[in-house]
Amino acid sequence: NAGVMQNPRHLVRRRGQEARLRCSPMKGHSHVYWYRQLPEEGLKFMVYLQKENIIDESGMPKERFSAEFPKEGPSILRIQQVVRGDSAAYFCASALGLFTEAFFGQGTRLTVV
Amino acid sequence: AQTVTQSQPEMSVQEAETVTLSCTYDTSESDYYLFWYKQPPSRQMILVIRQEAYKQQNATENRFSVNFQKAAKSFSLKISDSQLGDAAMYFCAYRRPDLIQGAQKLVFGQGTRLTINP
Repeated sequence: NAGVMQNPRHLVRRRGQEARLRCSPMKGHSHVYWYRQLPEEGLKFMVYLQKENIIDESGMPKERFSAEFPKEGPSILRIQQVVRGDSAAYFCASALGLFTEAFFGQGTRLTVV
Repeated sequence: AQTVTQSQPEMSVQEAETVTLSCTYDTSESDYYLFWYKQPPSRQMILVIRQEAYKQQNATENRFSVNFQKAAKSFSLKISDSQLGDAAMYFCAYRRPDLIQGAQKLVFGQGTRLTINP
């Protein structure tokens, strides 16, 4: 039973480019969470999605960031026109349901040069 | 808003000794969950232990145990018989258990870097 899969593990983008981060939840999991970890800090919540719905995006920056979790395929976190301050590790977690444990992927480290 | 504070940026302990990592939190809720996560150099977030606030008994998982003081809003992690593989960042986290929108998100502390000295 594969765990939460995130790809790529490392992503380098030049300022102004777009970054797409993918998260495949564990089999049967329909709840996905995205977190961002800046260097030497804890994880900060960004967005919570269920299949085809954004449930809570209170942690998402208002501009340039978007997330989706389509009926088929992985969840995507998209960052448009990246800036140096977007450099961070982005983690995805998935859960079977509301009261069940969320399992984390290994994260994608985004570096903006 | 809920906040989680870890006041020890770094801790070190001799192998086989015991170490305690501190965590305090702020909430107005009476029911919630608390967690300790381990993040080794691989960056994988690994759940170490969880505690339900309504349970008075402190959670224990093998060499890991917590001291949960609800009135003081304190949730410390004790690691007994420390091993080299315990070296990692440790994060304390809080979550509400209810069904309202957004309740499922974890609120993390800043982390404590634990070093094990051989």
